[in-house]
Amino acid sequence: QKEVEQNSGPLSVPEGAIASLNCTYSDRGSQSFFWYRQYSGKSPELIMFIYSNGDKEDGRFTAQLNKASQYVSLLIRDSQPSDSATYLCAVVTSGTYKYIFGTGTRLKVLA
Amino acid sequence: DGGITQSPKYLFRKEGQNVTLSCEQNLNHDAMYWYRQDPGQGLRLIYYSQIVNDFQKGDIAEGYSVSREKKESFPLTVTSAQKNPTAFYLCASTTTSGGSYNEQFFGPGTRLTVL
Repeated sequence: QKEVEQNSGPLSVPEGAIASLNCTYSDRGSQSFFWYRQYSGKSPELIMFIYSNGDKEDGRFTAQLNKASQYVSLLIRDSQPSDSATYLCAVVTSGTYKYIFGTGTRLKVLA
Repeated sequence: DGGITQSPKYLFRKEGQNVTLSCEQNLNHDAMYWYRQDPGQGLRLIYYSQIVNDFQKGDIAEGYSVSREKKESFPLTVTSAQKNPTAFYLCASTTTSGGSYNEQFFGPGTRLTVL
């Protein structure tokens, strides 16, 4: 079992719709959870981070964390064509500075 | 301007050559990382360093070497022992203050191609 799993996609959504991206992790000691966006040929950039169970909202983005079920998700409301990218989930285990990345989900927002 | 720089942006290597990728940061971060990314794949950890003069192997360290003589610098050498080095290499850094709650900042990457 991979440590951090994501559906590779592509996930296609129409412009203006909600895109839902999911990530599961295997280490129950995981403490910090990050969502990065990566455009083709570019380096990842941070979108959201979450540490506590529940929802965290920032503009059009909402991160959701459920530690009991070991999943973290990212919702993108009012999706725009510029949101088309690969979204990487990263997890850090308590007491370490080692970031484990999923393989990413490719999102396509159709105009 | 604070940030992470990587050089060169593109690098071509002949079979049997060692090459060194540069990574410098002026963010005063303690921890630095090297990742490899292959097409359509996520990031795989090569090496990381939490403090000067100390570093740990990641998941795919074979064929690579690093040094951390200065806080600001974490160069990666791709040796001839790495049989399939063509990939996109990303350097990252983070602060260690406050525990494991800090985001990683990434450099722009180096694209290495074996001729």
